[in-house]
Amino acid sequence: DAGVIQSPRHEVTEMGQEVTLRCKPISGHDYLFWYRQTMMRGLELLIYFNNNVPIDDSGMPEDRFSAKMPNASFSTLKIQPSEPRDSAVYFCASSPTLAGVYEQYFGPGTRLTVT
Amino acid sequence: GNSVTQMEGPVTLSEEAFLTINCTYTATGYPSLFWYVQYPGEGLQLLLKATKADDKGSNKGFEATYRKETTSFHLEKGSVQVSDSAVYFCALSGQGGGYNKLIFGAGTRLAVHP
Repeated sequence: DAGVIQSPRHEVTEMGQEVTLRCKPISGHDYLFWYRQTMMRGLELLIYFNNNVPIDDSGMPEDRFSAKMPNASFSTLKIQPSEPRDSAVYFCASSPTLAGVYEQYFGPGTRLTVT
Repeated sequence: GNSVTQMEGPVTLSEEAFLTINCTYTATGYPSLFWYVQYPGEGLQLLLKATKADDKGSNKGFEATYRKETTSFHLEKGSVQVSDSAVYFCALSGQGGGYNKLIFGAGTRLAVHP
């Protein structure tokens, strides 16, 4: 099992540029989560999907952020335009739909630096 | 609403010392409880879990017991190693239709010195 795959692992961009983060969940998992981690705010849930449908996007900070899941094996998180305060580590996680099983499996993260 | 409170870190211990990281929660119903560990530069990994009251989760020498009467899920290890240095997160599962949405604590950093 390859686990959750995220790309790129590191991204450095200039303020105002568009940034796209990618995630491939574990095969067979029906839930996909996007998190942001910073020293100041800790781990924040941005949005999550069930069967490719966004269920809760209340954590998305503002309209500059958007997320899509066009199929069961791929999701993107886009920031346009990016700002220095978006610098953080972004994690993707997936979870299966099994009775009594609620744990999430995290990817290695994408470290984003906006200058 | 549901919430998780962890002891603030950092926790600094010498190798082979006993570890306790406190975690208490607020929730309606019967959530599942989890401990995740994050090593430097990596994502969170599931360390152990418990799905009902009085269950004990264990893994890699770590243990935690689901105590409904005290709404706690404290993490313990009898003898820590330098390799245990990491950030530890307590979490609980969501309620209602959002069981797979986990609520995480703020994390507790553990530093173990030789």
